[in-house]
Amino acid sequence: EAGVAQSPRYKIIEKRQSVAFWCNPISGHATLYWYQQILGQGPKLLIQFQNNGVVDDSQLPKDRFSAERLKGVDSTLKIQPAKLEDSAVYLCASSPGRGDGYTFGSGTRLTVV
Amino acid sequence: GNSVTQMEGPVTLSEEAFLTINCTYTATGYPSLFWYVQYPGEGLQLLLKATKADDKGSNKGFEATYRKETTSFHLEKGSVQVSDSAVYFCAPMIYNQGGKLIFGQGTELSVKP
Repeated sequence: EAGVAQSPRYKIIEKRQSVAFWCNPISGHATLYWYQQILGQGPKLLIQFQNNGVVDDSQLPKDRFSAERLKGVDSTLKIQPAKLEDSAVYLCASSPGRGDGYTFGSGTRLTVV
Repeated sequence: GNSVTQMEGPVTLSEEAFLTINCTYTATGYPSLFWYVQYPGEGLQLLLKATKADDKGSNKGFEATYRKETTSFHLEKGSVQVSDSAVYFCAPMIYNQGGKLIFGQGTELSVKP
């Protein structure tokens, strides 16, 4: 089975620029998650989708971050404008349902300079 | 609120030594418990899980037992190898919030030959 695909792998941008990350979950996985992992910390959930509806976005900084999951499959996460503190690895994960562990993608490492 | 506390790292061991990484959690409801591992430069991988009290999860020589009375899920391995060097994350899955994983800060393990 193919894993969770993410792109790009790395991205360097200047502060105040915008950036977008893409995620393709495992086929048939209804639940999709975006996590932010700052260096030296554990991943923090940004947003959770069930099919194409948002389940939890309580920790998403909505003034600059947005995410969508069209047709309940692929998802994009956007940051506009970026700040220095947004430098992190952005992880996408998918799950078939309750009680199952997630499968994570390799992540996108964002550096804001 | 929901939270996870892991023992501070880095943990440095010699090959074939016994490993324990402590994890305690605070969670609403009755969570499932997971350990994830992150090898250098890679994404998070599911290591093991336990879904109810007294269950023991195991994989690749690692074990952890769900202790509901002490809200703990300590990770153990009898004989570590250099290839076990990685960061280990404890994570309860909180079901009353749509089934999301809450991660600890991670414990870095370094195994020397």
